[in-house]
Amino acid sequence: GAVVSQHPSWVICKSGTSVKIECRSLDFQATTMFWYRQFPKQSLMLMATSNEGSKATYEQGVEKDKFLINHASLTLSTLTVTSAHPEDSSFYICSVRGRTGELFFGEGSRLTVL
Amino acid sequence: DAKTTQPPSMDCAEGRAANLPCNHSTISGNEYVYWYRQIHSQGPQYIIHGLKNNETNEMASLIITEDRKSSTLILPHATLRDTAVYYCIGRGSGNTGKLIFGQGTTLQVKP
Repeated sequence: GAVVSQHPSWVICKSGTSVKIECRSLDFQATTMFWYRQFPKQSLMLMATSNEGSKATYEQGVEKDKFLINHASLTLSTLTVTSAHPEDSSFYICSVRGRTGELFFGEGSRLTVL
Repeated sequence: DAKTTQPPSMDCAEGRAANLPCNHSTISGNEYVYWYRQIHSQGPQYIIHGLKNNETNEMASLIITEDRKSSTLILPHATLRDTAVYYCIGRGSGNTGKLIFGQGTTLQVKP
């Protein structure tokens, strides 16, 4: 069964609005979750590391004020794309590290900004 | 984390073994080799990982050379559903757990 659940799986929004994507760890508590972004025909790019109870760590070039991450509990991390624009249209994927070190990924959330 | 090199694409006949190579000549002694795959429009799926010994699970086998500079992922009987992008990633056991993806190998299984 699924270990990581993402919601919504797809979303369409108007330019200038904000969109929140949820990532839930279903099988175990996760102090650390990871957010990735993937553009068409490209590989996954790590955006940030989400830490429960503290600020997220962002990769170089990722705007922390643009992509707000909240990890309020051991099973939930959220990514909010603020003031979304068409260039933010992408496939957003979260992941959770399992007990033996491997990462489990959600099914992804496809964002389309009109 | 070690840089890995994979061929951009490979074909395999259905029912035959698919052997996907990966070079990781800069891998350090405590770095594991992880393999994931991504089927179109889905999140990556964990396949297998290893340090220096060969590993096997229900999905695949991982063969790591003695010098640990390269490895091969083997899908023993490829099916059409194995068509995906396969990623080989080197990751240390002591880091935060993040995985840095390269371009991977697109495996096309053909009937």
